[in-house]
Amino acid sequence: AQSVAQPEDQVNVAEGNPLTVKCTYSVSGNPYLFWYVQYPNRGLQFLLKYITGDNLVKGSYGFEAEFNKSQTSFHLKKPSALVSDSALYFCAVRDTNAGKSTFGDGTTLTVKP
Amino acid sequence: EPEVTQTPSHQVTQMGQEVILRCVPISNHLYFYWYRQILGQKVEFLVSFYNNEISEKSEIFDDQFSVERPDGSNFTLKIRSTKLEDSAMYFCASQGSRTGPYEQYFGPGTRLTVT
Repeated sequence: AQSVAQPEDQVNVAEGNPLTVKCTYSVSGNPYLFWYVQYPNRGLQFLLKYITGDNLVKGSYGFEAEFNKSQTSFHLKKPSALVSDSALYFCAVRDTNAGKSTFGDGTTLTVKP
Repeated sequence: EPEVTQTPSHQVTQMGQEVILRCVPISNHLYFYWYRQILGQKVEFLVSFYNNEISEKSEIFDDQFSVERPDGSNFTLKIRSTKLEDSAMYFCASQGSRTGPYEQYFGPGTRLTVT
C-alpha cells in the first residue's frame, strides 16, 4: 500500500521569503515521488520528481525538493516566493515505475505581496 | 510541447444518463490513466490502461465505468448510468514508458456535473 500525507492545508508566506510545503510518504518499496501544482480551474502541472540519485532535485519555476529517506519526506521548497506561486500543491507517490499514483490532500499556498 | 487534451471541458448531464469523456494522450505514450477530483478535494485514482487492457482499477471504478482506446489515439471513460456523486473533475493522464520519464502528464480535465 502507498500513502501520502500533506500535514498543512494552508501555507502563507510573504513574497520574497522562502517557502516550504511538507510531504511525507509511505510505500512498500523504493518510492517514486512527484510534486504537481494546480491553478484554479486548471489541470495538474508537473513540477519535479525524485526517482533515484541526488536527494535534492530541481524542477520548474525555481522549485526544488529534498528527499529524506530516513524521515520518509519529500518537502517542496523555493528560496524566494512569488505572488504567482499561489496555487494548490499536490505531492504524489507510487511504488512502481508505471502505475497508480497516490496523491496527498493538497496544500494551498498563498504568497502575499 | 506535446500535451494531453480532453473534451468536453464541461459536461452537464441528468442522473441516470450515460456520458463519455474523451482524452487524447501524448502520442507514443504507452500508459494511460483516469483520475478524478471532487471539488477542491484530493485527486483519486480510477483506472490504469496498458497494452489495450485495464492494468489496475480502484474500488471507485465499478461496473458503471468502462474505458476504451478505440482507435489508437483516443482514450475514453464511459459512465453508463450517472449518479449525483459522480459529479467531479475527471483528469486523463499519460506516461511514456516504464523506463522513463516517469511522470504522468495530465490533461486540463472535464468537469462533470450530474443533476
